Amino acid sequence: EAGVTQFPSHSVIEKGQTVTLRCDPISGHDNLYWYRRVMGKEIKFLLHFVKESKQDESGMPNNRFLAERTGGTYSTLKVQPAELEDSGVYFCASSPRTGNEKLFFGSGTQLSVL
Amino acid sequence: AQSVSQHNHHVILSEAASLELGCNYSYGGTVNLFWYVQYPGQHLQLLLKYFSGDPLVKGIKGFEAEFIKSKFSFNLRKPSVQWSDTAEYFCAGGNNDMRFGAGTRLTVKP
Repeated sequence: EAGVTQFPSHSVIEKGQTVTLRCDPISGHDNLYWYRRVMGKEIKFLLHFVKESKQDESGMPNNRFLAERTGGTYSTLKVQPAELEDSGVYFCASSPRTGNEKLFFGSGTQLSVL
Repeated sequence: AQSVSQHNHHVILSEAASLELGCNYSYGGTVNLFWYVQYPGQHLQLLLKYFSGDPLVKGIKGFEAEFIKSKFSFNLRKPSVQWSDTAEYFCAGGNNDMRFGAGTRLTVKP
């Protein structure tokens, strides 16, 4: 069974540019989460999809971030325009059910905004 | 708002030493608590979890954690660490959405 996959693994862009991160959850997992870790700090919750619907997007930093999950399969997280403070590792995770289920994590996308 | 905090940022131990990493949570309702580990170059993976029942839970690789409701704590322990336990450890918890602590980097010297 394939795990959670994220693309790209690394992205280096200049301030003001646009970047789109992609996450493919484990097939059949309704729940998809995005997290971000800025160097040395906590893994911060960004948002949670249940199928194609946004269950909770309270962690999204601002309106430069847009997450979508069309058709309830893969998800994209777009940052436009990127700022220096957006640098960090963006993790995607999925689970079959909400609540007390363990999360399966992707390997993350390391985003560097210069 | 639900949150999870970890007390230690970096812990350095010699092999065979005992380990205890602190974790506290602050949210009400159903308490679901987890410890995740990230070995160098690998994905985050689950070490152990607590939902209800016996407050002492055992996980993989000899790790255990104890849920103490009165202290809002869920500390991770291992009686004797090995070099291969070098990794970053994250406490997490939540009702519907998982919240993570800042992580504790464990270095075990051979």
